[in-house]
Amino acid sequence: RKEVEQDPGPFNVPEGATVAFNCTYSNSASQSFFWYRQDCRKEPKLLMSVYSSGNEDGRFTAQLNRASQYISLLIRDSKLSDSATYLCVVTSGTYKYIFGTGTRLKVLA
Amino acid sequence: DAGVTQSPTHLIKTRGQHVTLRCSPISGHKSVSWYQQVLGQGPQFIFQYYEKEERGRGNFPDRFSARQFPNYSSELNVNALLLGDSALYLCASSLAWASYNEQFFGPGTRLTVL
Repeated sequence: RKEVEQDPGPFNVPEGATVAFNCTYSNSASQSFFWYRQDCRKEPKLLMSVYSSGNEDGRFTAQLNRASQYISLLIRDSKLSDSATYLCVVTSGTYKYIFGTGTRLKVLA
Repeated sequence: DAGVTQSPTHLIKTRGQHVTLRCSPISGHKSVSWYQQVLGQGPQFIFQYYEKEERGRGNFPDRFSARQFPNYSSELNVNALLLGDSALYLCASSLAWASYNEQFFGPGTRLTVL
């Protein structure tokens, strides 16, 4: 089993739709979680950290479910500019970031 | 403020050659991590350095090595290049070495091995 798993997609959604991605992880001792966004042939950019209590930043909401070992990202009112690959990150030990393979999102006009 | 910078942006090498990639972290950041990203995959952790010391190493062969300088910039070296080393090499900087610190990525170096 992979340490971090994501549905690769693509998720094709119309503008204005709400879309959610999940990311499961295998190490129950993982402490920190993040979502990154990566545009084609660009570097990953930090979207948000994921806290135990969940957090929201504008149209984006991230949740952590430790019992079921997954994190989620909800995007409301999707924009064309949200089209990208969304990478989840789970930390391992004291220093290591483990990335999922990413979920591709395409927002359609 | 300048973000993470990497050089060169693109590089073409042949099998068996050696390559050195460079990274300058965000001002004030003392930790640099290196990742390899092949097409269709997420970045894979190679090394982390903090205060010029190696703090972590991923599952990469000894052909991969790195170092960090007193100004916190870093170099990644890869010897005896293989076709499979073709990838985007990303450098990320963070304030400190602990994993809860957010990491910020540079634009990457795209390495092609022929």
